[in-house]
Amino acid sequence: GQNIDQPTEMTATEGAIVQINCTYQTSGFNGLFWYQQHAGEAPTFLSYNVLDGLEEKGRFSSFLSRSKGYSYLLLKELQMKDSASYLCAALDSNYQLIWGAGTKLIIKP
Amino acid sequence: IAGITQAPTSQILAAGRRMTLRCTQDMRHNAMYWYRQDLGLGLRLIHYSNTAGTTGKGEVPDGYSVSRANTDDFPLTLASAVPSQTSVYFCASSDSNDRATGELFFGEGSRLTVL
Repeated sequence: GQNIDQPTEMTATEGAIVQINCTYQTSGFNGLFWYQQHAGEAPTFLSYNVLDGLEEKGRFSSFLSRSKGYSYLLLKELQMKDSASYLCAALDSNYQLIWGAGTKLIIKP
Repeated sequence: IAGITQAPTSQILAAGRRMTLRCTQDMRHNAMYWYRQDLGLGLRLIHYSNTAGTTGKGEVPDGYSVSRANTDDFPLTLASAVPSQTSVYFCASSDSNDRATGELFFGEGSRLTVL
């Protein structure tokens, strides 16, 4: 079956760095998405990776290893507003998105 | 402001009642989707539409129906609501001309409680 695994919850300190991991098992693979979702709000797009390597976008970076079925989202210089859930989703061979349950990130001052 | 509008934002419904969640987008996206989000689970696709006039079943379609009469509107109907349909429902759209990398744009969600 198809599956996405990511930690349920993580805690980090304001100003620090945090890495949120995601492993996936899908029927075929056409890319890996990260979305941010603040409590009570809609998910919003953060990043898309289809090739191995690191994509950097400001304070956020996303990494992909296709051979390992693994991705991570790296958040630097954490701010209180980064407290949110981070959703990992893989695009399978039918271009259907398979979603993880999300990682709730708690930022402490 | 361009985007996706869902209505209602919140609704309490008696079991057995019929309910339609509305979704309208003004980005002229071809593809639209309905997801439900439940605590501890990933977003689950209910139904989708790749273009006006066509619809398809997602992962959890039972008890739900959709229609896509035009590009902008994609209503989701619960014919006879049951308590297990208590959830937060998100409508989303994407530019299907960029299918592989198409970012999803989500509405603000509709919180439905079935008693």
